[in-house]
Amino acid sequence: AQSVSQHNHHVILSEAASLELGCNYSYGGTVNLFWYVQYPGQHLQLLLKYFSGDPLVKGIKGFEAEFIKSKFSFNLRKPSVQWSDTAEYFCARPGSSNTGKLIFGQGTTLQVKP
Amino acid sequence: GAGVSQSPRYKVAKRGQDVALRCDPISGHVSLFWYQQALGQGPEFLTYFQNEAQLDKSGLPSDRFFAERPEGSVSTLKIQRTQQEDSAVYLCASSLLEGGLYNEQFFGPGTRLTVL
Repeated sequence: AQSVSQHNHHVILSEAASLELGCNYSYGGTVNLFWYVQYPGQHLQLLLKYFSGDPLVKGIKGFEAEFIKSKFSFNLRKPSVQWSDTAEYFCARPGSSNTGKLIFGQGTTLQVKP
Repeated sequence: GAGVSQSPRYKVAKRGQDVALRCDPISGHVSLFWYQQALGQGPEFLTYFQNEAQLDKSGLPSDRFFAERPEGSVSTLKIQRTQQEDSAVYLCASSLLEGGLYNEQFFGPGTRLTVL
């Protein structure tokens, strides 16, 4: 069965620091990958997605992610974080069926100190 | 336009009670998903509807969990004889097209269920 793992569970950064959140996915199946974000008190929303093509994907709010097939990774990056980036971040991929159900990682809580 | 809405936002139940959680997807969205999110974990898939048809219920943890979408729009997740381990946030998501690997899912705010 497909799976996703996120290495960092809780990250604390100061404003303007660079961010990289790890995500590894299991071998097999169609490799479509997503990063979702949940700001405090808000819904889960899509940050960016990778289906095929350019392995460097740009999303909203200055986020990007790089798909590295040889490492089974899809790490999320941002060169300079802001206090407003404080949120929980989830990496996800579709499960083995064609329903589109998502398999999520455990999530990473990012706290940005002003 | 309105997003996915869920009600109630918070529910406290005594162990053994039945509960019903409602999801109003985005109008016209064909696909509807239910997920369960335990504290400190990522969402876990429960069940999937394409219009009124429940095509995948492989994630439902027990026969106490039941979901329906009788007219292909609003969906209800029902949990019978609730147990403490059912305490979680229940998320609903919808997407425009029939299930597949390429459709963005739009999530509701969730219902936080606490079973005492």
